[in-house]
Amino acid sequence: GQQVMQIPQYQHVQEGEDFTTYCNSSTTLSNIQWYKQRPGGHPVFLIQLVKSGEVKKQKRLTFQFGEAKKNSSLHITATQTTDVGTYFCAGDSWGKLQFGAGTQVVVTP
Amino acid sequence: NAGVTQTPKFQVLKTGQSMTLQCAQDMNHNSMYWYRQDPGMGLRLIYYSASEGTTDKGEVPNGYNVSRLNKREFSLRLESAAPSQTSVYFCASIRASAIEAFFGQGTRLTVV
Repeated sequence: GQQVMQIPQYQHVQEGEDFTTYCNSSTTLSNIQWYKQRPGGHPVFLIQLVKSGEVKKQKRLTFQFGEAKKNSSLHITATQTTDVGTYFCAGDSWGKLQFGAGTQVVVTP
Repeated sequence: NAGVTQTPKFQVLKTGQSMTLQCAQDMNHNSMYWYRQDPGMGLRLIYYSASEGTTDKGEVPNGYNVSRLNKREFSLRLESAAPSQTSVYFCASIRASAIEAFFGQGTRLTVV
């Protein structure tokens, strides 16, 4: 069955630095979604990518969908303390939405 | 507009006890999901329901049952709770495939 893997599992970042988290699927995805979960909260939708090679930006966040639609990345520039949380990618396969293990981001002031 | 509502928010069970986690959405969404979240494991799909009247197993269905009572409600039942089922449980709903999922606030379950 489909598996969605994320790396790294943990990311310690100095405030102001950039970082990237990666998502890889064992199968081709129809689309990929990214979510953010603040500590103690629930996942909240950030963005969806559908097209091969698609790139979308939300302020300091850049999302990319691979050409083969089997991988994706989230790049955050100039990290702020508000970026703290766990970032999940999720792949949709025939109506079954499966999440990666997430990247937990800790920001040091 | 409440979105996705889960009850209860917290629960402590003894091993062997049963309980039902309730989930209701008021967004007229077709698909509903139950996930469990454990440290380092992300969100693992337990069961999902693509539409009213249908349910399917996810990655970790053992020890659980579900009921899609109507379009609004999707419940998760633990028949005989085990300590391994200690987790945070999230319900989510989606209007249609390939559209964002909305999550409830979660149920923190401890089995002792």
